[in-house]
Amino acid sequence: QAEVTQESSLTVSPGGTVTLTCGCSTGAVTSGHWPYWFQQKPGQAPMTLIYDASDKHSWTPARFSGFLLGGKAVLTLSSAHPEDEAEYYCLLFCGGAWVFGGGTKLAVL
Amino acid sequence: EVQLVESGGGLVQPGGSLRLSCAASGFIFSDYWMTWVRQAPGKGLEWVANINQDGSEKYYVDSVKGRFTVSRDNAKNSLYLQMNSLRAEDTAVYYCLGGGHYDYWGQGTLVTVSS
Repeated sequence: QAEVTQESSLTVSPGGTVTLTCGCSTGAVTSGHWPYWFQQKPGQAPMTLIYDASDKHSWTPARFSGFLLGGKAVLTLSSAHPEDEAEYYCLLFCGGAWVFGGGTKLAVL
Repeated sequence: EVQLVESGGGLVQPGGSLRLSCAASGFIFSDYWMTWVRQAPGKGLEWVANINQDGSEKYYVDSVKGRFTVSRDNAKNSLYLQMNSLRAEDTAVYYCLGGGHYDYWGQGTLVTVSS
């Protein structure tokens, strides 16, 4: 089964900007991988932030943006808030199957 | 308000079976693919299975093929996951997801496979 790669952990300062990436082991990530981004806080079910690489749900804070860059899916958080501290997972249709990345633990410190 | 409510989890011995259910409300259930995702304790998310609107297409992660069966009853707005030949590594919280873009998540039901 193909693998989806994410940074294991990142840190951002309150008010700062951070970029999370998501790669597919079979090659460059494109729109055809249907990239998703999810946020999960401790003890809670995940929440979908971004779909189709860059589209947001009505509940997605404007400070989150998704796009494709350099062969990866990217999630950018601008003007980080303390409540953005969470685990972030990407999901790709990678190697002919839906595969989650291992998650990025984001600290806001 | 959209709701997805999973049930049916519990403690089961290795080799045993469980049937999970997911009751959907607040959206047109029959219009959407539905998906099961699981999360082992302290671990990341794993995509498990999905099913199309009329149940004619089903897909599974390799590790559950031949053991798990996803189904749905559109008349009851319900999604199911029949899990047979359970293994310790199937221990996880199982979430159902629905909507056009994995929009909605349930709160999950815990399955523990242990003797």
